[in-house]
Amino acid sequence: GAGVSQTPSNKVTEKGKYVELRCDPISGHTALYWYRQSLGQGPEFLIYFQGTGAADDSGLPNDRFFAVRPEGSVSTLKIQRTERGDSAVYLCASSKSGGPWGEQFFGPGTRLTVL
Amino acid sequence: GIQVEQSPPDLILQEGANSTLRCNFSDSVNNLQWFHQNPWGQLINLFYIPSGTKQNGRLSATTVATERYSLLYISSSQTTDSGVYFCAVSSNTGNQFYFGTGTSLTVIP
Repeated sequence: GAGVSQTPSNKVTEKGKYVELRCDPISGHTALYWYRQSLGQGPEFLIYFQGTGAADDSGLPNDRFFAVRPEGSVSTLKIQRTERGDSAVYLCASSKSGGPWGEQFFGPGTRLTVL
Repeated sequence: GIQVEQSPPDLILQEGANSTLRCNFSDSVNNLQWFHQNPWGQLINLFYIPSGTKQNGRLSATTVATERYSLLYISSSQTTDSGVYFCAVSSNTGNQFYFGTGTSLTVIP
């Protein structure tokens, strides 16, 4: 079956603009995660959804970042008033079982560049 | 959160050589995964191994949960093995999945 997909693959925006990043998890996976990866670093946790609800959003850096998963499948990460420091690769992952103890499968990422 | 340390940070191998990558973690875990991040940035699952030993072709992994470390073995390395190898863990008490800083592997022909 299809893996995790993310769109767009690349996004270039100007400082202060609003962006939305989309994640389509593997069909049937109830858990969904967002991560951010800066150059030369490992991915860092942002938020974890179990079904439609955010079970843990402690990794979101500030209130400019928000994510939704209204129907328990597709998720959108929203960033308001983008800053140059938001430039990174944003990764999405899904797992079949709830909680981070389930095996996670990653999408190809969205590379965000804020000019 | 859990601290995850990987060693070595960088590794250069001649094609055909063997290598061992190490991941140390600071707390009890209920999930440990090894990933290979290819040059295009895709994280590829290698092993889901919170404990025990697994093998897949030229790769194998061992996690000794009681001693808080995991090892990834690569035998007869190939140029396509080049990339960054990450270990990631989650604890028994939290929701987060913590990545190490990775081992950058370069295999030269």
